[in-house]
Amino acid sequence: ILNVEQSPQSLHVQEGDSTNFTCSFPSSNFYALHWYRWETAKSPEALFVMTLNGDEKKKGRISATLNTKEGYSYLYIKGSQPEDSATYLCASAHDKIIFGKGTRLHILP
Amino acid sequence: DSGVTQTPKHLITATGQRVTLRCSPRSGDLSVYWYQQSLDQGLQFLIQYYNGEERAKGNILERFSAQQFPDLHSELNLSSLELGDSALYFCASSVAAGGGGENSPLHFGNGTRLTVT
Repeated sequence: ILNVEQSPQSLHVQEGDSTNFTCSFPSSNFYALHWYRWETAKSPEALFVMTLNGDEKKKGRISATLNTKEGYSYLYIKGSQPEDSATYLCASAHDKIIFGKGTRLHILP
Repeated sequence: DSGVTQTPKHLITATGQRVTLRCSPRSGDLSVYWYQQSLDQGLQFLIQYYNGEERAKGNILERFSAQQFPDLHSELNLSSLELGDSALYFCASSVAAGGGGENSPLHFGNGTRLTVT
């Protein structure tokens, strides 16, 4: 059974602070790791898709790293802004794409 | 706008009934995925089609079925509906057969909210 775990479940961060959260996934038969941002009342939007061990991706203040050998990925947000408030989902692609339950990020003004 | 269209947006029906959810993928995408999101649950994978063929299956109930048509749109059929089937059903599309390519993120529709009463 493929199990993708994300932690923490919820996070409150002061505006301007940096933060990070974790996604762990099975390392066997691994193809790719996806990160999505999901705002309330909208649908998930892709941030990154990473495939290689040691991959790092960056988009503005958001970046992600990938360790396929130990089965984890980190998402970093630098200098959090109110518009970063959302649920961040990771998904692990094996023979199917399985999502974690997400980390809900709240940015406090 | 992701380019993925799901209809209807909302559906209210009674237990025991049958409904059909429709998804048109983004232009050029050959894969269609169906996910179910119930209260307090994450996105649960149901089924994936690639270019008309079933590609991968998740914990999809026997009462549920899906297909992808030659024009690549997909339909998810839910029958003998139960109260527990109430959920938000998402369709997503991607260009690739699997989720492994760096250029093959999933593009999500806005979902169909199904309420079974």
